[in-house]
Amino acid sequence: TQLLEQSPQFLSIQEGENLTVYCNSSSVFSSLQWYRQEPGEGPVLLVTVVTGGEVKKLKRLTFQFGDARKDSSLHITAAQPGDTGLYLCAGVPGGGNKLTFGTGTQLKVEL
Amino acid sequence: NAGVTQTPKFQVLKTGQSMTLQCAQDMNHNSMYWYRQDPGMGLRLIYYSASEGTTDKGEVPDGYNVSRLKKQNFLLGLESAAPSQTSVYFCASSYSQGAGHQPQHFGDGTRLSIL
Repeated sequence: TQLLEQSPQFLSIQEGENLTVYCNSSSVFSSLQWYRQEPGEGPVLLVTVVTGGEVKKLKRLTFQFGDARKDSSLHITAAQPGDTGLYLCAGVPGGGNKLTFGTGTQLKVEL
Repeated sequence: NAGVTQTPKFQVLKTGQSMTLQCAQDMNHNSMYWYRQDPGMGLRLIYYSASEGTTDKGEVPDGYNVSRLKKQNFLLGLESAAPSQTSVYFCASSYSQGAGHQPQHFGDGTRLSIL
C-alpha cells in the first residue's frame, strides 16, 4: 500500500494547456517535496512546502499544501515541452523519519 | 561539480550472481540512501545511512546489503541476484536524515537487468 498516491498516473497534453497533478494521503506530513525526473536522470527537487495551506510559485508552476497537511497539488500554467517528465511528491509522515515517495505522474507535453 | 556519482550506469547479471553498486558524494552530506524505481511505484527505499558507519533498513531491504565505511561512499550489494531485482537503482544524499525539509540529491541511476 502506497502512503502517497498521485493522480493522474499519466498525462499527455498539448503545449499551452493547463494541468494539475494531485498527491494524496490519509497520513499527516510535516512537509512535502516535489521532484521532477527527466529520462536517464535522477529526480531533482523543485520545491518544499511546510505549512498547511501554503502556496509556492516557481515561474509557471504553483504548488499547494493542503490545510490538513495530508495532500498537495502541482498546477502548471501554459505547459511547454520542457515540462515533460516524471513528477514525484515526497514527504516524511508525522512521527516518522524517512522520506516516502509518491507513485509518480508521467507528463508529456507535445507541440 | 559532481554531486552524487553512481557506477556502473548499466549492468546485466545472470541469476545467482553477486555485485556491488557504488555511490559517491562530494557534498559532505551526512546521510545517504539507496532506492529502487519500478514502473508505477515511484521510488522505494532499500537502505539508508544516517551517518558514517551506520545503516538501517528501508521499505524493501530483502536480498540486499550495504556498507558505509567512509562518509562519502555508500555501497549496495546484491548477494544472489534474482530477476525480481531488475530495476533502476538510485543513490541519494542529504545533509541530515529525517528532517523533511532537507532536499535529497540524486545520482543518475544504475540500470540493472537480471536474466
